[in-house]
Amino acid sequence: NAGVTQTPKFQVLKTGQSMTLQCAQDMNHNSMYWYRQDPGMGLRLIYYSASEGTTDKGEVPNGYNVSRLNKREFSLRLESAAPSQTSVYFCASSEAGKKLFFGSGTQLSVL
Amino acid sequence: GNSVTQMEGPVTLSEEAFLTINCTYTATGYPSLFWYVQYPGEGLQLLLKATKADDKGSNKGFEATYRKETTSFHLEKGSVQVSDSAVYFCALFPSGGSYIPTFGRGTSLIVHP
Repeated sequence: NAGVTQTPKFQVLKTGQSMTLQCAQDMNHNSMYWYRQDPGMGLRLIYYSASEGTTDKGEVPNGYNVSRLNKREFSLRLESAAPSQTSVYFCASSEAGKKLFFGSGTQLSVL
Repeated sequence: GNSVTQMEGPVTLSEEAFLTINCTYTATGYPSLFWYVQYPGEGLQLLLKATKADDKGSNKGFEATYRKETTSFHLEKGSVQVSDSAVYFCALFPSGGSYIPTFGRGTSLIVHP
């Protein structure tokens, strides 16, 4: 049982480059989330998708876009990466607000 | 809005010591409460949960009791091990069908042999 799978695990970008972080879950959950984790800041919600076909901004959406491709997949795109987006990114999923399942994270460095 | 406040770390203990990590929350109604653990280089894993007042969640020797009167969900363990070294997050899912959980900032626990 894979749970929540994120790719890639590590990525280094130059300022201005674009990339997409991929996330897939195999638990048939309706809700999916993207967080970033920075030292001393805890987890901050970037975007979430309450159900297939819907997406909404979280606490820190600027500089990011998302796509809920289908019920399983929820991708996060950085159109023009900035050093301030250096962080660890986590995808998560849940069913009806019962509990979150997290992926193992993507460590992103923007130079 | 909703909020979760955790004690700041790091918490440094010797092996077999007693652990308490304080967590208090602000939310309307009856949220569900959670403790997550993050080991180095990994994602967050659910440690335990409680969904109504006076419930006690427990797992791997850790316990936490949902105290509605004090809006608290303190994490405790009677005898910590080096392998418990990790970051612990308190979190809530609000009642009323909201899809957005609220997390505390996390408390780092370091256990020395």
